[in-house]
Amino acid sequence: GENVEQHPSTLSVQEGDSAVIKCTYSDSASNYFPWYKQELGKGPQLIIDIRSNVGEKKDQRIAVTLNKTAKHFSLHITETQPEDSAVYFCAASLEPHSNTGKLIFGQGTTLQVKP
Amino acid sequence: NAGVTQTPKFRILKIGQSMTLQCTQDMNHNYMYWYRQDPGMGLKLIYYSVGAGITDKGEVPNGYNVSRSTTEDFPLRLELAAPSQTSVYFCASSPTIGPGQGSYNEQFFGPGTRLTVL
Repeated sequence: GENVEQHPSTLSVQEGDSAVIKCTYSDSASNYFPWYKQELGKGPQLIIDIRSNVGEKKDQRIAVTLNKTAKHFSLHITETQPEDSAVYFCAASLEPHSNTGKLIFGQGTTLQVKP
Repeated sequence: NAGVTQTPKFRILKIGQSMTLQCTQDMNHNYMYWYRQDPGMGLKLIYYSVGAGITDKGEVPNGYNVSRSTTEDFPLRLELAAPSQTSVYFCASSPTIGPGQGSYNEQFFGPGTRLTVL
């Protein structure tokens, strides 16, 4: 079955710097790769996603890149701000042909942005 | 819309006790999911449902049961609680997945239930 590995587990950056979180997946059939942000004491919230027919997607300060050949995708946050501090999860479609919407999540990255 | 609501927020159980975690969504979503979150382990899918009356196992279903009698509600039942079930539980819902391959939609998560089994 699908397996998703996420690195690093913790990341500390200075405000204004960039942050990059990387994920690899095992099932070449996976076709959907969302990123979720979880603030302290809350449930995860979708911040950006990418589908397998696209190599890059941007939304203001965040961007996601996908390399299908290498089976990895990354989240890039530019000009980080203290409110970006949170736990970030990558995910990949589990059983992509089943139409159940099931996802398999990475282990999570705790991002700390120091003022 | 309240979105996805979960009750209770916190609960302490003794080994062997049972309880039901409640989950309700008011977005008329057909798809609902239960996850558990353990430190450093990400989110693991316990059970999911693609519509009222239809449920199926996820990655870690042992020790849990679900039912889906209405579109809105998707309760998770713990029978004979064990310390290994100490975790934070999240319920999520999603709009209907479109036809064909590769149709995914955003999952909307509730605030979670923190469960401790002693």
